[in-house]
Amino acid sequence: GQQLNQSPQSMFIQEGEDVSMNCTSSSIFNTWLWYKQDPGEGPVLLIALYKAGELTSNGRLTAQFGITRKDSFLNISASIPSDVGIYFCAGPATSGTYKYIFGTGTRLKVLA
Amino acid sequence: SQTIHQWPATLVQPVGSPLSLECTVEGTSNPNLYWYRQAAGRGLQLLFYSVGIGQISSEVPQNLSASRPQDRQFILSSKKLLLSDSGFYLCAWTSGYGYTFGSGTRLTVV
Repeated sequence: GQQLNQSPQSMFIQEGEDVSMNCTSSSIFNTWLWYKQDPGEGPVLLIALYKAGELTSNGRLTAQFGITRKDSFLNISASIPSDVGIYFCAGPATSGTYKYIFGTGTRLKVLA
Repeated sequence: SQTIHQWPATLVQPVGSPLSLECTVEGTSNPNLYWYRQAAGRGLQLLFYSVGIGQISSEVPQNLSASRPQDRQFILSSKKLLLSDSGFYLCAWTSGYGYTFGSGTRLTVV
């Protein structure tokens, strides 16, 4: 079945550093979504990508839709303590309408 | 604007007791609705989804069931809870452009 693998699984970084994470799929996607989940909360949509090669920013966050359509990348610049949380990528499932599958998540911890 | 409400926020239930978690969406009609479970420190597992009243699709066999008695109401239930039912339960809706999640219910079965 479809799988989304995220890497790294977790990372500790110093405040002010840039962060990069990626997501790879076993199948081609026409949409990539990036979510952030704060501790004890539901995930919140950060960025949506709809076109191969697309580069979209949301404040200090930048996400890219990979050219192969099988991967996506999320970068966070100048990290701050409130960036802590779990970042999930997601893409449409091949089965079912408006069904998305989620990656395994990247847990980010920022050291002040 | 659309909002999604999920309650209760936390729940501690004994093994063998029943469960009812409720989710409602406001500001939209005929949304697709979803129940996810997240084990501690893990990813999101889709449990059920619904594309309309009375229409429920189950993703994994388990001790839980779902119902959609009204257009914007989605209920997750169990007749007898197991220890393995503990987790963080999330309701979500979509009209086609990604999910919007509720704030979740932390269920601890003791």
